[in-house]
Amino acid sequence: AQKITQTQPGMFVQEKEAVTLDCTYDTSDQSYGLFWYKQPSSGEMIFLIYQGSYDEQNATEGRYSLNFQKARKSANLVISASQLGDSAMYFCAMREGMDSSYKLIFGSGTRLLVRP
Amino acid sequence: DTGVSQDPRHKITKRGQNVTFRCDPISEHNRLYWYRQTLGQGPEFLTYFQNEAQLEKSRLLSDRFSAERPKGSFSTLEIQRTEQGDSAMYLCASSSPTRGTDTQYFGPGTRLTVL
Repeated sequence: AQKITQTQPGMFVQEKEAVTLDCTYDTSDQSYGLFWYKQPSSGEMIFLIYQGSYDEQNATEGRYSLNFQKARKSANLVISASQLGDSAMYFCAMREGMDSSYKLIFGSGTRLLVRP
Repeated sequence: DTGVSQDPRHKITKRGQNVTFRCDPISEHNRLYWYRQTLGQGPEFLTYFQNEAQLEKSRLLSDRFSAERPKGSFSTLEIQRTEQGDSAMYLCASSSPTRGTDTQYFGPGTRLTVL
């Protein structure tokens, strides 16, 4: 079964508007972490934001926020005030448990294009 | 901190040749990971080191693949007898459990093309 599902292969957003990138996950662990990474065309994976399964508040980092709905197993990324430099691939990832190898399981990604 | 570095950034090789990639993690990060990413997909886990110990290997890591981290600092990933299916981006990441969320920070990757 797919652990991380990103259903939007591609998204467009107008510059300065907000955009939501969807991510759902599947795990039976009680303790897990959810991550979002940005991958520009250069290829490097850039860490954006983290949400722990026990965190009661949604994570925020500057223009990035994570809409965490535990019961629905969703962890959507919200980018506010989009900029042209936000055009990139975005990956949602999960790390299960705290006694495992700490490996990340990635979704297939969403390509975001910001229009001027 | 300087970031994770990887060398080379690009490698073109002929089928059947051996290749070796190097990863230098963020200093004092004791965890190091290798991932492989093919076109249009998210990265897939290959292997994980804690200090010099290789603690987990994915089934993706066939016998032709070997990874080392001899002194718990830099790591190498070797692919023997390369095949065209090995063409991918090879990403290295490092993390430290003492820094809160144990977030993995990635290097720029090595893009391998097997002709």
